[in-house]
Amino acid sequence: EVQLVQSGAEVKKPGESLKISCKGSGYSFTSYWIGWVRQMPGKGLEWMGIIYPGDSDTRYSPSFQGQVTISADKSISTAYLQWSSLKASDTAMYYCATLQGYYYGSGSYLGYFDYWGQGTLVTVSS
Amino acid sequence: EIVLTQSPGTLSLSPGERATLSCRASQSVSSSYLAWYQQKPGQAPRLLIYGASSRATGIPDRFSGSGSGTDFTLTISRLEPEDFAVYYCQQYGSSPETFGQGTKVEIK
Repeated sequence: EVQLVQSGAEVKKPGESLKISCKGSGYSFTSYWIGWVRQMPGKGLEWMGIIYPGDSDTRYSPSFQGQVTISADKSISTAYLQWSSLKASDTAMYYCATLQGYYYGSGSYLGYFDYWGQGTLVTVSS
Repeated sequence: EIVLTQSPGTLSLSPGERATLSCRASQSVSSSYLAWYQQKPGQAPRLLIYGASSRATGIPDRFSGSGSGTDFTLTISRLEPEDFAVYYCQQYGSSPETFGQGTKVEIK
């Protein structure tokens, strides 16, 4: 059974750094892309970026490029989403999910999210 | 960037009724690379449909997807109590991938 288990809720102050995690099990972690999705309070879903744990190839949405860093440690089947300096506007629920899709053009991978983690609530407040 | 516009914003229906949700793209979605998700309060989204019309594993056949190009539809043939939720479409035909803003299906 595919499972993605995310780290627990976080409360941080503006300017602090943070790294949240997503541990995969029940499948070959290095063979499937994983993505991150943001959901601000009472709002819809936003596609942030994806990573291929096999070689750490990463692609970001233009809206999130430079704002967050996505990484993975294949030795422990875990993907990460990190911030170097949090803002109040980063307050949201963050979901990780595995991606099923296809390679396009120059090698970009695009797809839909099939298995989802339970979400990590990040609250940034002074 | 492809903008997806879902309508209506809220759909008020009774159990047993048919629900028709629309997702319109600002430009053609290549190869019908469109997915639908269901999200209930306090839960992660769940994949319902991919490739515009293929049901994900374990999804009841009362859920069906159709459409191509710029117009896509999710139909729930007969609403069950557990179907009242928010539904999102997502296109993955071009980068950046984008979601619609969601349609809430509520009990009338």
